[in-house]
Amino acid sequence: EAQVTQNPRYLITVTGKKLTVTCSQNMNHEYMSWYRQDPGLGLRQIYYSMNVEVTDKGDVPEGYKVSRKEKRNFPLILESPSPNQTSLYFCASSLSRWNTYEQYFGPGTRLTVT
Amino acid sequence: GQQLNQSPQSMFIQEGEDVSMNCTSSSIFNTWLWYKQDPGEGPVLLIALYKAGELTSNGRLTAQFGITRKDSFLNISASIPSDVGIYFCAGQLTAGGTSYGKLTFGQGTILTVHP
Repeated sequence: EAQVTQNPRYLITVTGKKLTVTCSQNMNHEYMSWYRQDPGLGLRQIYYSMNVEVTDKGDVPEGYKVSRKEKRNFPLILESPSPNQTSLYFCASSLSRWNTYEQYFGPGTRLTVT
Repeated sequence: GQQLNQSPQSMFIQEGEDVSMNCTSSSIFNTWLWYKQDPGEGPVLLIALYKAGELTSNGRLTAQFGITRKDSFLNISASIPSDVGIYFCAGQLTAGGTSYGKLTFGQGTILTVHP
């Protein structure tokens, strides 16, 4: 089954404790992206990757890092989480950057930073 | 960055009623998209619009790409309980066939349908 998976689905952590949210897709997609969803703000892009070893900032990259060492994986790293990073995070992928409208979204990761 | 204004923010309707929501932008987009997010899930694409003035249907859903390229609307006819969820509009800017690879999302419309 074609899918985007994220882990963990739920995470409660404390300020300053480094964490990684994993994202993996099994569709051989080139383009992957991370979004955060906050009430009243919709989805905002954090980082995106057009292919292996090619990443760039989205609209709200501060406090986040990403890497793309393999085509299928695109982890989101919070080096020193803060309470304002409490949010619902979605990973998405599409065939290429020319097909970003056909994005497949993961199930989401709900992160709480205390 | 670019902003999309989506309205209404929420709707409470009776089963069988029609629903209308819209999205406006201060700048133009070349593609408009409508997504639905079920509780506990990621957004799923409902309708994609590629040309100004285009009117597209998907079952009970109808969406239009505004002629100015700065707005779009989504209608749902004869709503049913499974229509419950959050609906997002999204715009994509392309230039010369090259996509910037970025979607700009509206704030979402929360739809509640009472049986």
